[in-house]
Amino acid sequence: SYELTQPPSVSVSPGQTARITCSADPLPNQYAYWYQQRPGQAPMLMIYKDTERPSGVPDRFSGSSSGTTLTLTISGVQAEDEADYYCQSADNSGAYVVFGGGTKLTVL
Amino acid sequence: EVQLVESGGGLVKPGGSLRLSCAASGFTFSKYNMNWVRQAPGKGLEWVSYISHSSTYIYYAESVKGRFTVSRDNAKNSLYLQMNSLRVDDTAVYFCAREPENDIFTFDYWGQGSLVTVSS
Repeated sequence: SYELTQPPSVSVSPGQTARITCSADPLPNQYAYWYQQRPGQAPMLMIYKDTERPSGVPDRFSGSSSGTTLTLTISGVQAEDEADYYCQSADNSGAYVVFGGGTKLTVL
Repeated sequence: EVQLVESGGGLVKPGGSLRLSCAASGFTFSKYNMNWVRQAPGKGLEWVSYISHSSTYIYYAESVKGRFTVSRDNAKNSLYLQMNSLRVDDTAVYFCAREPENDIFTFDYWGQGSLVTVSS
């Protein structure tokens, strides 16, 4: 089965850079996506196709991929970025969508 | 403005059934593939089901296969999830989510969710 593994939590001070990783097993051949979910709200797409940013998403959010590790980077973190972040892809057969377990970003 | 509004959630006993609906507006519903994604209380996101725009292709997560049935009525701009043989671990907020027209296996718009509680 296909798994995406994220750290449960990441903490940064305002203005610093937060990096949230997502480890894929096995090596994926599908794109990766990242969602932000604030408490009580629906998830919101922040990064698509590994590195692309939807319109309206601040440019301090960026995505990258290297080998089996996907990374969401938030530069110049702001208090409003405090939320849960989920990576997402699909298994190599293309029949199942898989989410990572989520990472809670705390802005100190 | 794209809107997805879920309804039909509630409290049901184990072994019972429930039907969720998702009313879509603000876009041409019949052109888009749709999904259900759920989130148990305090837990992460779990994809549940996918249905293509014309209902030709349907997929389910292993955890619900054989118990849940996804369908859609393009004339009514509506998506449905029939849930049978419900279990306690099906308790979750159920979101309907749209797949963008130019991509696959992703979700660009989500509803606010409908809470399903399975408890005796």
